[in-house]
Amino acid sequence: GENVEQHPSTLSVQEGDSAVIKCTYSDSASNYFPWYKQELGKRPQLIIDIRSNVGEKKDQRIAVTLNKTAKHFSLHITETQPEDSAVYFCAALSSGTYKYIFGTGTRLKVLA
Amino acid sequence: DSGVTQTPKHLITATGQRVTLRCSPRSGDLSVYWYQQSLDQGLQFLIQYYNGEERAKGNILERFSAQQFPDLHSELNLSSLELGDSALYFCASSEGQGASYGYTFGSGTRLTVV
Repeated sequence: GENVEQHPSTLSVQEGDSAVIKCTYSDSASNYFPWYKQELGKRPQLIIDIRSNVGEKKDQRIAVTLNKTAKHFSLHITETQPEDSAVYFCAALSSGTYKYIFGTGTRLKVLA
Repeated sequence: DSGVTQTPKHLITATGQRVTLRCSPRSGDLSVYWYQQSLDQGLQFLIQYYNGEERAKGNILERFSAQQFPDLHSELNLSSLELGDSALYFCASSEGQGASYGYTFGSGTRLTVV
C-alpha cells in the first residue's frame, strides 16, 4: 500500500548549522508533497510544499527538493535557530486520492 | 488562529464511555479530515468528508464514526472507549475535494481515557 518513510527520527544540530530531513514515498502517482512543523502540544502547521512538476522550492531558510525518479524528497533548513526545534512531518498526496500519507516524523533539536 | 475550530480542547473519560469531538472548518472549506496522533506517534488518517459525503476512509475503528452536517461542521464519535484510544485528535480542512493546496489543522482535542 501507500507508504512514506522519513529519516532520521531524531536530529540534533548546533545553532547556525543546517538540517536535512529525507522522505521516500512508494506511490509513483504522488504529485504533491507538503511539510508540516509541529511544536509540542500544538497543531501541525504547513511550512512549505512542492508539486511534482517542480524540482526545488525555497522560502527563506527553508527549501524542499524532489527527485521523482528516485521517489525522494527532502527538507533543508539552513542557519538553524532554537525556534526551529519541533517535530517535522513530510507527507505525500496521490493524484486522485483525498488524503495525505504522513511520514513518521523527525524530532529536530537545535542546540544553542 | 488557523480558522479551524475544534472542541473541546481536552476531554477525560472512563473506559467504555462514548464521546463526541467537534470540528468547524475554515470558512469556505468544504472538506474535513480527521487524524489521530498517539503519544510520540505520527498522524494516522481516519476519515474525510467533502460537502457532507464521506470521501476517503483510513484506519478508522468500527467503534468510531463521523459525519459532516449541512453547515459543514463535522463530528467524530468514539464509543466503547479503551485506554489505547487516548490520543490527540486533529481535524483539518481544505477548500476542495482533494488536498493539493495543503491542509489547515485545528488545535486538536486531547482525549484521555482512564
